[in-house]
Amino acid sequence: GENVEQHPSTLSVQEGDSAVIKCTYSDSASNYFPWYKQELGKGPQLIIDIRSNVGEKKDQRIAVTLNKTAKHFSLHITETQPEDSAVYFCAAPSFGNEKLTFGTGTRLTIIP
Amino acid sequence: DTGVSQDPRHKITKRGQNVTFRCDPISEHNRLYWYRQTLGQGPEFLTYFQNEAQLEKSRLLSDRFSAERPKGSFSTLEIQRTEQGDSAMYLCASGGGRTNTGELFFGEGSRLTVL
Repeated sequence: GENVEQHPSTLSVQEGDSAVIKCTYSDSASNYFPWYKQELGKGPQLIIDIRSNVGEKKDQRIAVTLNKTAKHFSLHITETQPEDSAVYFCAAPSFGNEKLTFGTGTRLTIIP
Repeated sequence: DTGVSQDPRHKITKRGQNVTFRCDPISEHNRLYWYRQTLGQGPEFLTYFQNEAQLEKSRLLSDRFSAERPKGSFSTLEIQRTEQGDSAMYLCASGGGRTNTGELFFGEGSRLTVL
């Protein structure tokens, strides 16, 4: 099955600065890499995803980069704001498998 | 509200009791997933359905856990003879269907506390 590792587990960033969270995966056949944001008391919510046919995808202040050779992908948040404070999870599927395996999460705190 | 809904949101029970959680997915989704999440960890896969068929169960899912999706719509997750180690957030998610993008839509979870 898929094994997903995520770093760091906690991250504190000054408001306005950038934050980067990294994940590695084990299944070289994986082709879809989502990032979820979880706020306190709520379920995870998709914020951005990338498929294996592209190396980077951007949506306003959020971007995801993918290195299939090295089997890692990263979430980049620029111009961070207080509402970015949350727990972020990366995930990856196993080939031929419809379930996602999640990383252990990164608690991001934006310091005003 | 057309999101995924879960009931109850919180459940406190004594060890040895049975509990049942319900999930109502987004109606146009044909896949339904159950995940478990403990403090400081990511969601951990338990089982999933495509329509009414249960296609995969985690090896971590003991015989005390059973899930059903009888008509391919709502689903229930039952835990029999609860143990303190069952205390966790149980998350339901739905996805798939004609507009499938791979995204999973999560409910807000059912938090179980076993005393």
